Amino acid sequence: KQEVTQIPAALSVPEGENLVLNCSFTDSAIYNLQWFRQDPGKGLTSLLLIQSSQREQTSGRLNASLDKSSGRSTLYIAASQPGDSATYLCAVRSNTGNQFYFGTGTSLTVIP
Amino acid sequence: KAGVTQTPRYLIKTRGQQVTLSCSPISGHRSVSWYQQTPGQGLQFLFEYFSETQRNKGNFPGRFSGRQFSNSRSEMNVSTLELGDSALYLCASSWGGDFNEQYFGPGTRLTVT
Repeated sequence: KQEVTQIPAALSVPEGENLVLNCSFTDSAIYNLQWFRQDPGKGLTSLLLIQSSQREQTSGRLNASLDKSSGRSTLYIAASQPGDSATYLCAVRSNTGNQFYFGTGTSLTVIP
Repeated sequence: KAGVTQTPRYLIKTRGQQVTLSCSPISGHRSVSWYQQTPGQGLQFLFEYFSETQRNKGNFPGRFSGRQFSNSRSEMNVSTLELGDSALYLCASSWGGDFNEQYFGPGTRLTVT
């Protein structure tokens, strides 16, 4: 069974810092990996989708990379802002059983 | 275009009752997936429907069921509610292909007393 782990579980940084969130998965047989943010009590907002054949995707201040062979993805946030405070989740779509598996998330706080 | 909508947004039920939650996908999307989110277990996959057929199923008991209609709207039903069913239930829609991006609704907060 696919297992997805996110480190760290919580992170607090001053505004303006660049930061990296980590996601690791145990089974490299995936279709894609998607990064989301979730604000308290709300649904998930899609940030970036990386297909299994891709190495990275960029959107604004966000850059996500994927190393399928080592089972790792990173989400890089440049010049962090207080509005970036949220929980960040990664999810993989496994092509074994064709299910989605989510990590436990990283709770990010950006201090003004 | 309109996003994924879920109704109701909040629900309080009593143990033993049953509940039906509704999800309307983004126009044109044919796949709807359901998830349960709890503080202890995180986000867990319930099932996925595509063109009115259940395509995938997570590891939940048979009390959890769903269906999808011809207009791609989906409903999820939980029978004989237990206290542990209290959770945020999220649905996500996509075009339907294995490589497609998922878009989530705001969720239904279910509280079982």
